[in-house]
Amino acid sequence: AQSVAQPEDQVNVAEGNPLTVKCTYSVSGNPYLFWYVQYPNRGLQFLLKYITGDNLVKGSYGFEAEFNKSQTSFHLKKPSALVSDSALYFCAVRDMILAAGNKLTFGGGTRVLVKP
Amino acid sequence: NAGVTQTPKFRILKIGQSMTLQCTQDMNHNYMYWYRQDPGMGLKLIYYSVGAGITDKGEVPNGYNVSRSTTEDFPLRLELAAPSQTSVYFCASSADRREQYFGPGTRLTVT
Repeated sequence: AQSVAQPEDQVNVAEGNPLTVKCTYSVSGNPYLFWYVQYPNRGLQFLLKYITGDNLVKGSYGFEAEFNKSQTSFHLKKPSALVSDSALYFCAVRDMILAAGNKLTFGGGTRVLVKP
Repeated sequence: NAGVTQTPKFRILKIGQSMTLQCTQDMNHNYMYWYRQDPGMGLKLIYYSVGAGITDKGEVPNGYNVSRSTTEDFPLRLELAAPSQTSVYFCASSADRREQYFGPGTRLTVT
């Protein structure tokens, strides 16, 4: 079985400050990991993914994420947050071997509010 | 490329009515998915398909049906609408082992 936890329902940060959104996962084998962002009344947009290779993954809009196998984490980061980064963020995982149909399991989401 | 398109954007149904949510993708992806997102919650997988003619149940399939006659289309059918099916429905598609691309969603209210 595969699962994802996003321990924070909401993260508040001042514009210009670093932003971190936490994600931990559980899979039987090796993970594929994804971050998505959802703006109000929109579908999910893909931000970045970890498949293999470098543990630091860079994605869209200046976001990056660090894969930590020992801590089973994949935290999303941005060095300097913008008001326009305010949105709902989802972490997702797929077991590399066992997840038939490329099925992803999503975390519950973390709402990010960036204040001017 | 239009990506993943969904119709309608909004719909209000009475209890017991039926409807089909349409989903089309133009990326030639083999994999397609239907999710529902309840207020303040994450996404739950309803059904998915790994190719034309092949569908399988996800986490919450009860009350829904799907078909996949072509690579492009993956309609979701609600036969007897219930208030518990009030939700936002997202269709997605992907190539194998790749990220999923999402449509804009259909907001359904059952009263």
